[in-house]
Amino acid sequence: DTGVSQNPRHKITKRGQNVTFRCDPISEHNRLYWYRQTLGQGPEFLTYFQNEAQLEKSRLLSDRFSAERPKGSFSTLEIQRTEQGDSAMYLCASSSSRYNEQFFGPGTRLTVL
Amino acid sequence: AQRVTQPEKLLSVFKGAPVELKCNYSYSGSPELFWYVQYSRQRLQLLLRHISRESIKGFTADLNKGETSFHLKKPFAQEEDSAMYYCALKNTGNQFYFGTGTSLTVIP
Repeated sequence: DTGVSQNPRHKITKRGQNVTFRCDPISEHNRLYWYRQTLGQGPEFLTYFQNEAQLEKSRLLSDRFSAERPKGSFSTLEIQRTEQGDSAMYLCASSSSRYNEQFFGPGTRLTVL
Repeated sequence: AQRVTQPEKLLSVFKGAPVELKCNYSYSGSPELFWYVQYSRQRLQLLLRHISRESIKGFTADLNKGETSFHLKKPFAQEEDSAMYYCALKNTGNQFYFGTGTSLTVIP
């Protein structure tokens, strides 16, 4: 296990298109988090899964954003009808409920033209 | 509402000098506080958390509930400490809130 992985690493899309990102957590971790990070800011919480259940979702997250974690393993984050303001780094992190230390992935950098 | 404030975006110190990165928070409940670090071209990683009360790479941080602060300190800065540092708060719902980060440069 090489840690949390995210694909793709970079995504360039045109405004109005849909995009989907994937996160593969550390295999024994039951918690999975999605964050968004823009230039000069810290990671901003988007949503959180415990196993396959989505337990928390940021109020800042519009209806265009949806995340899934089928079978409690990998997770996908979809953004529909992308806007230029969605351009950011999207980070995934996983942890175990026992130790709660988050391990971050390398991120997916989204550019919306 | 939860909020984490890191007042310094940039901080430069000379090698061997003490360093303190400031973090203040607001939260009505009982928080868990963390410091994360991101070295150049590396992933964000946990540096330390207040409940462990441990020293990592010479860094310590004490939670001061009266001043709602969790400042990160090191008595003698090293060049390899140059990185981006983020203070984070975890609420009872397991949501994490990060500050805007402080970029630390240790001058040789």
